[in-house]
Amino acid sequence: DAGITQSPRYKITETGRQVTLMCHQTWSHSYMFWYRQDLGHGLRLIYYSAAADITDKGEVPDGYVVSRSKTENFPLTLESATRSQTSVYFCASSDRGTGNYGYTFGSGTRLTVV
Amino acid sequence: QQQVKQSPQSLIVQKGGIPIINCAYENTAFDYFPWYQQFPGKGPALLIAIRPDVSEKKEGRFTISFNKSAKQFSLHIMDSQPGDSATYFCAARVLSFGNEKLTFGTGTRLTIIP
Repeated sequence: DAGITQSPRYKITETGRQVTLMCHQTWSHSYMFWYRQDLGHGLRLIYYSAAADITDKGEVPDGYVVSRSKTENFPLTLESATRSQTSVYFCASSDRGTGNYGYTFGSGTRLTVV
Repeated sequence: QQQVKQSPQSLIVQKGGIPIINCAYENTAFDYFPWYQQFPGKGPALLIAIRPDVSEKKEGRFTISFNKSAKQFSLHIMDSQPGDSATYFCAARVLSFGNEKLTFGTGTRLTIIP
């Protein structure tokens, strides 16, 4: 099915562990984004990518690492998870070329760091 | 630094009423202002969007009003229904060095009561 999928949907990890959240899109959109959603903060941009092998920091990048070796995949890694990284993480994609500038979001990954 | 300020944080409206959600921004480089709707357990979905050269845009029961001089924009929902109960996010886009970024407001949890 076409779309943007995130995995896992739910994850519980311990402080200090490394964890990777996966994001896959089937449209070949050039832009992909990672946001975290926290009450009172809305959606905050962690990292984004304009194309394969091109990534850049967003508003809250500390403690996160991304890579984009293929256009369709954009994994987000928490190198050493902390309790403050407990959040709901959303991946999104966008294709500027069509003139439709809306972002399409995945269903999110709820991450709990204990 | 909150570049897009959204209010109110929560809103309860009787069915048939007209909820209004307001957003304000400072950065005059923003060139596209979308609204997203999010249901529980789902990612945000593009609802309606406006460019700053237009003062109003309607799509079905949803209307964006845009005041460029005041740097404010708002979402109105006509004849609101219980199915409109969701969290609404305003956003603003900026193009920087060829890359686009969306900055989101903090969200408004809307409840429509029968």
